Amino acid sequence: QQQVKQSPQSLIVQKGGISIINCAYENTAFDYFPWYQQFPGKGPALLIAIRPDVSEKKEGRFTISFNKSAKQFSLHIMDSQPGDSATYFCAASTQGGSEKLVFGKGTKLTVNP
Amino acid sequence: EAEVAQSPRYKITEKSQAVAFWCDPISGHATLYWYRQILGQGPELLVQFQDESVVDDSQLPKDRFSAERLKGVDSTLKIQPAELGDSAMYLCASSSSTGDAFFGQGTRLTVV
Repeated sequence: QQQVKQSPQSLIVQKGGISIINCAYENTAFDYFPWYQQFPGKGPALLIAIRPDVSEKKEGRFTISFNKSAKQFSLHIMDSQPGDSATYFCAASTQGGSEKLVFGKGTKLTVNP
Repeated sequence: EAEVAQSPRYKITEKSQAVAFWCDPISGHATLYWYRQILGQGPELLVQFQDESVVDDSQLPKDRFSAERLKGVDSTLKIQPAELGDSAMYLCASSSSTGDAFFGQGTRLTVV
């Protein structure tokens, strides 16, 4: 019940395309859902996060869509660029994010020029 | 821009030796986390501190791992003795009351 399932494992898109990564969870106590971007050899960097009181949040080219009833959330990267090539992790937490983050297994995104 | 500082960045140690990692969180962040990330997987929590108190160490292998945050600021994670299976990236993160957690660059540990 603590798992967060992430798909796809890897994704290849062309420059300018839309990258979509999906996550699903079972624990209804989760109330904070961040996405992290990680480059090889670096620590994860917080991209964007959402709480269940909204269904969508947008920051620049990055959008989180949240479906509470389906217990799913997704990251959309618009106008994908080669510099976006990285591994993306979804995560979930309870208590508004004050508890530990439970991470998905990651999606390796490659954006071809 | 405030960052979580970790050292060393890389550490190679022999099996059965002791190793320690240091973390300095973002100033003012009361919550500090140590995560372990095995190559190709997502990070998993080892221990969580609120100020100087441990609030979650349920996944910390306490027979060989220890963590402390004596003054509620910086923190040290120790492994003694190190085993081959401990080879991983050790990540420190900190958060404020907003809940957003920020990670350091990590320490890449290789046990030989």
